[in-house]
Amino acid sequence: GESVGLHLPTLSVQEGDNSIINCAYSNSASDYFIWYKQESGKGPQFIIDIRSNMDKRQGQRVTVLLNKTVKHLSLQIAATQPGDSAVYFCAETGGAGNKLTFGGGTRVLVKP
Amino acid sequence: GAGVSQTPSNKVTEKGKYVELRCDPISGHTALYWYRQSLGQGPEFLIYFQGTGAADDSGLPNDRFFAVRPEGSVSTLKIQRTERGDSAVYLCASSVTSGSPPSGANVLTFGAGSRLTVL
Repeated sequence: GESVGLHLPTLSVQEGDNSIINCAYSNSASDYFIWYKQESGKGPQFIIDIRSNMDKRQGQRVTVLLNKTVKHLSLQIAATQPGDSAVYFCAETGGAGNKLTFGGGTRVLVKP
Repeated sequence: GAGVSQTPSNKVTEKGKYVELRCDPISGHTALYWYRQSLGQGPEFLIYFQGTGAADDSGLPNDRFFAVRPEGSVSTLKIQRTERGDSAVYLCASSVTSGSPPSGANVLTFGAGSRLTVL
C-alpha cells in the first residue's frame, strides 16, 4: 500500500521501550480528543479517546494525557512493539455532528 | 458488513473527467463522513450525513464536489471536471449516530480509502 507519512515528523523507538507522541490542539471548546493509528494503505484506526473534563485515561498499553492549560495532548505507548509502527494522528471534536479535526501526525518507527 | 468498505481502492483519471467514489458503511450506522487526505497530512473533513441528509457540507472545497446518500446507507462522492489538485486519498467513516459523542460504541470507524490520481 501507499505510505501515508513520507514527510511527517518521525519518532524512532527501540522495541520494548516506551513511546511518547505529542500533539498541540487549537480549539479550547473541543469536547473529545482522540488518537488514531494509520498503517500504510489503511484508514485511521481508533486507539483511545479522552473527554475534556479528564486529564488522563489508560487503555491497554496506551495512556492519553490532556493538558488543557497549554492545549497539549500526548499518547504514551508502553513496551513498543513492531506492530506499533505507523503514523499517529490526534483529532479533536466539539459541537454538532462529531466532525473530527485532525492534527498533522507523527510517524513511529520501531527498531528491532 | 464487518467494516467500512470503499470502492474503488485506486482510481486513475485524466484532468477534466468525472469520478464517483463509493462508501458502504457498517450496517446500522446512521452517520457517514467523508474526509480527504493528502500525502503527509491528516484527514480533512468534507461532508457528513445523518441518515439520508447532508447535515454539514462545509468542508467541500467547491461546487465540483457533491455527495449523496439516497437510502441512508451507501454514499457516493462525486467529483466533476477533476483537477490535478484533487489527487488524494478519499476516506469514508461511519458511526452509530452523529447525535452522541464519538466515544465508546460510537467511535468513527474508517474505511481503507479510495486513492484518486488525476493526471
